[in-house]
Amino acid sequence: EAAVTQSPRSKVAVTGGKVTLSCHQTNNHDYMYWYRQDTGHGLRLIHYSYVADSTEKGDIPDGYKASRPSQENFSLILELASLSQTAVYFCASSVRDRYSGNTLYFGEGSRLIVV
Amino acid sequence: QQQVRQSPQSLTVWEGETAILNCSYENSAFDYFPWYQQFPGEGPALLIAIRSVSDKKEDGRFTIFFNKREKKLSLHITDSQPGDSATYFCAAEANTGNYKYVFGAGTRLKVIA
Repeated sequence: EAAVTQSPRSKVAVTGGKVTLSCHQTNNHDYMYWYRQDTGHGLRLIHYSYVADSTEKGDIPDGYKASRPSQENFSLILELASLSQTAVYFCASSVRDRYSGNTLYFGEGSRLIVV
Repeated sequence: QQQVRQSPQSLTVWEGETAILNCSYENSAFDYFPWYQQFPGEGPALLIAIRSVSDKKEDGRFTIFFNKREKKLSLHITDSQPGDSATYFCAAEANTGNYKYVFGAGTRLKVIA
């Protein structure tokens, strides 16, 4: 059974402060992703990584950094948190099956409130 | 730019009815279309998916109908159950090898007993 765990599950941060969201997977998957979920926008890709020590920008990378120190761990960093970054953040890992395609396995989400 | 559009935003059906969720896309390079189901407080999970070479994919009460010419697809949930109440996301992936999805905004389904 795929397992992606996120921490913290919930956080209140002060505007201008630094926030780090962590993700750990035990699936041995190469790909990991950070998504943001807002009502009315679905899931939007922030950063992703396909190998340790390398990250790629997604569709909405501004204001976010990412770090992939190992295959299992992928962090999302908000250096200067802003009110507009209040959202639920999801980490996912993926495996690609040559027949069925790319399947994402999501964590349970991290709810971030910036005040 | 909304590359994947879903309608309706929300849908309410009675138990036993068929729920129909719609999805359309713009990019002709999309060739893989998964649907994800999300319950409140949880992360999304893959429900069913279809490749563009097929026009129908069935898995129990869940069926995807795909029209490549019109760039439209739909998810049919037959004999809807209260446990099906969730948000459903249509997604699309292009055959470019970068393994990136584009998600629609989701349809919130409520099944009333």
